[in-house]
Amino acid sequence: GENVEQHPSTLSVQEGDSAVIKCTYSDSASNYFPWYKQELGKRPQLIIDIRSNVGEKKDQRIAVTLNKTAKHFSLHITETQPEDSAVYFCAAKTDSWGKLQFGAGTQVVVTP
Amino acid sequence: NAGVTQTPKFRILKIGQSMTLQCAQDMNHNYMYWYRQDPGMGLKLIYYSVGAGITDKGEVPNGYNVSRSTTEDFPLRLELAAPSQTSVYFCASSSIDRNTEAFFGQGTRLTVV
Repeated sequence: GENVEQHPSTLSVQEGDSAVIKCTYSDSASNYFPWYKQELGKRPQLIIDIRSNVGEKKDQRIAVTLNKTAKHFSLHITETQPEDSAVYFCAAKTDSWGKLQFGAGTQVVVTP
Repeated sequence: NAGVTQTPKFRILKIGQSMTLQCAQDMNHNYMYWYRQDPGMGLKLIYYSVGAGITDKGEVPNGYNVSRSTTEDFPLRLELAAPSQTSVYFCASSSIDRNTEAFFGQGTRLTVV
């Protein structure tokens, strides 16, 4: 089955700097790659997603890139702010069964 | 729209007791999922369903059972609670349409003592 690996597990950045989180997946049939943000004590919420027919997608300060050949995708957060502090999860999904597999998560801490 | 609703929000169980975590969605989603999240850890898939009457195991199904008799409801059953099942449980759902967002419930915090 699908295996999603996520790195790093923790990331500390200075406010205003950029943060990058990387994920790899094993199932070449995966074709949907969402990123979720989870604030302390709350449910995960989608922040951005990318489909396999697209290499890059941007939404204001966040962007996601996908390399299907290498089977990896990354989340980029620019101009980080304290409210970006949270746990971020990548995930991968295939059409065949709809199973959504998550990475282990990255704790991002933005220090003022 | 209520989205995905989980009940209860909190529960303390004694070892060996049983309970059912309820999950309901009103978005007519075919896919539904149960995840558990241990403190400081990621989301591990327990069971999932692609439609009424169809369920399948995820990574950590032992000690749990599910059923999907309707599109709306996807209850998770714990038969003999063990301390290792202390966790936060999230239910999620998504559309059968290709490549769409999964929506999460607010979670159930379960403690087994």
